[in-house]
Amino acid sequence: NAGVTQTPKFQVLKTGQSMTLQCAQDMNHEYMSWYRQDPGMGLRLIHYSVGAGITDQGEVPNGYNVSRSTTEDFPLRLLSAAPSQTSVYFCASSAVFGNQPQHFGDGTRLSIL
Amino acid sequence: QQQVKQSPQSLIVQKGGISIINCAYENTAFDYFPWYQQFPGKGPALLIAIRPDVSEKKEGRFTISFNKSAKQFSLHIMDSQPGDSATYFCAANGYKLSFGAGTTVTVRA
Repeated sequence: NAGVTQTPKFQVLKTGQSMTLQCAQDMNHEYMSWYRQDPGMGLRLIHYSVGAGITDQGEVPNGYNVSRSTTEDFPLRLLSAAPSQTSVYFCASSAVFGNQPQHFGDGTRLSIL
Repeated sequence: QQQVKQSPQSLIVQKGGISIINCAYENTAFDYFPWYQQFPGKGPALLIAIRPDVSEKKEGRFTISFNKSAKQFSLHIMDSQPGDSATYFCAANGYKLSFGAGTTVTVRA
């Protein structure tokens, strides 16, 4: 049972490039979310999804897009990378939306030059 | 602005000592308060959680104390071990999960 799998683990981009961070879970969880982790700021919610076909914005959504075509996958797209998006990105899932433990992947470390 | 304020930013404790991390919140709609533990290079993992109708919850060496009137909650790590060295995040959930800034705990052998 893999849990939440994120790819790639590391990535370096140039300013203006686009890329997609992949997230997949094999627990049949309805709720999935993306966070970014920056020093001294904890984890901040970027986007989330309460089920296939449904997405919504979190705390810091600008510059990011998401879609949820299947229960298992929740990719995060950077449209035009900026140095301010240098961060560690975590995908998480839980059985349902609400007061449930969230299961995190091991993160993607992204540097924008 | 962060909805959950966490302190201290870091702490060092001797093996066998007690680590205490404090968190405060403002939003009275929060109704679930989990703590996550994160090791370097890994994602956060749920450690222990409490709901506001309970004042204390203990799991092994880890205890959450919750003060609803003061809107504060804390994590106590008893008999701290080197393997407890990690970053700890408090969080609060109402509509969405809001995290504190994190506390890096170092346990010296």
